[in-house]
Amino acid sequence: DARVTQTPRHKVTEMGQEVTMRCQPILGHNTVFWYRQTMMQGLELLAYFRNRAPLDDSGMPKDRFSAEMPDATLATLKIQPSEPRDSAVYFCASGLTEYNEQFFGPGTRLTVL
Amino acid sequence: AQTVTQSQPEMSVQEAETVTLSCTYDTSESDYYLFWYKQPPSRQMILVIRQEAYKQQNATENRFSVNFQKAAKSFSLKISDSQLGDAAMYFCAYRGGYGGATNKLIFGTGTLLAVQP
Repeated sequence: DARVTQTPRHKVTEMGQEVTMRCQPILGHNTVFWYRQTMMQGLELLAYFRNRAPLDDSGMPKDRFSAEMPDATLATLKIQPSEPRDSAVYFCASGLTEYNEQFFGPGTRLTVL
Repeated sequence: AQTVTQSQPEMSVQEAETVTLSCTYDTSESDYYLFWYKQPPSRQMILVIRQEAYKQQNATENRFSVNFQKAAKSFSLKISDSQLGDAAMYFCAYRGGYGGATNKLIFGTGTLLAVQP
């Protein structure tokens, strides 16, 4: 049963700490998306990759956020330093291509105190 | 820029009844896709149904069907024979088509559906 996995599922940290979220896309999918869900902003795209290359990260605060794909089986989203306003659920999704259905992971619920 | 609007923050339906969730969108693209996603309390985003803009026929998936009005830029979701397990937040989403400027999903604000036994 192919699915997108994300770790950790929950993360509580203190302001100023570094946070790293990981995503394992479905094997064979060449597109990976990072979305953030908050009560105020809803669901919004942070970044997406095609064949491990970043194509659009315009939704991501560049000063503290970074997204990478070290290899085809791992995507990471890092926040350094974290702030309370970063508290949200972060979803990773993957697709066979960016024109196919996106399959979502279970999300990482981040709380920054 | 493309936008998606869901004007019903909350809806309620009796079990076994039918409910329709509304969605409107704005785009200048001619080729695009529309989706309805369900998000239960588990937070998992589940694709319910998709519609290609070039198809005139409304998509149907078992108890779920859409009313796609391209000229009016309207894309409503009808849930027939509602079940308790249908209770969730429902998101309408837009994505540009092949070669379009928008490959990301653009989501509406969601409609929280309650199903009364």
